[in-house]
Amino acid sequence: RKEVEQDPGPFNVPEGATVAFNCTYSNSASQSFFWYRQDCRKEPKLLMSVYSSGNEDGRFTAQLNRASQYISLLIRDSKLSDSATYLCVVNSGSNTGKLIFGQGTTLQVKP
Amino acid sequence: DGGITQSPKYLFRKEGQNVTLSCEQNLNHDAMYWYRQDPGQGLRLIYYSQIVNDFQKGDIAEGYSVSREKKESFPLTVTSAQKNPTAFYLCASRRTSGGSYTDTQYFGPGTRLTVL
Repeated sequence: RKEVEQDPGPFNVPEGATVAFNCTYSNSASQSFFWYRQDCRKEPKLLMSVYSSGNEDGRFTAQLNRASQYISLLIRDSKLSDSATYLCVVNSGSNTGKLIFGQGTTLQVKP
Repeated sequence: DGGITQSPKYLFRKEGQNVTLSCEQNLNHDAMYWYRQDPGQGLRLIYYSQIVNDFQKGDIAEGYSVSREKKESFPLTVTSAQKNPTAFYLCASRRTSGGSYTDTQYFGPGTRLTVL
């Protein structure tokens, strides 16, 4: 079983749609959770951290369920510029700062 | 501007050659990391360093070597022992002191290595 699992997609949605990505992780000791965005042939960039209480940043909402070891990302009112690969990332549970990356979910927003 | 730089952006290597990828940061971050990304796969950790003059193997260290002589610099050498070196190599750094603890890593633009 992979340490961080995501549906690779691709998710093809029209502009304005709402899309949700899911992610599960296997290490119950993980304490930090993130969503990174990666554009084609570019480096990953932090989209948002994920907190137990859930958090929102504009059109993006992240949720964490520690009991189920499940993380989600909801994108409302999709824009063409949201087309990218979204990486679910958790820390290893150690103090080394090691992060475990999912393989990513690809989103393609179409006009 | 503060940030992480990697050079070169593209690198071509003949089989049997060693090559060194540069990673420099001026963010005053203590910890630095090297990852490898293959198409359709997540990032895999090669080496990391939490402090100057100290580094640890990651999950796929075989065929790679690093040094950390300066806080700002963490070069990666891909040796001829690495069986399948063609990949996208990403360097990252993380703040570990001077405030609240964070696991957030910030990435450089990457180096694409192709073995001919």
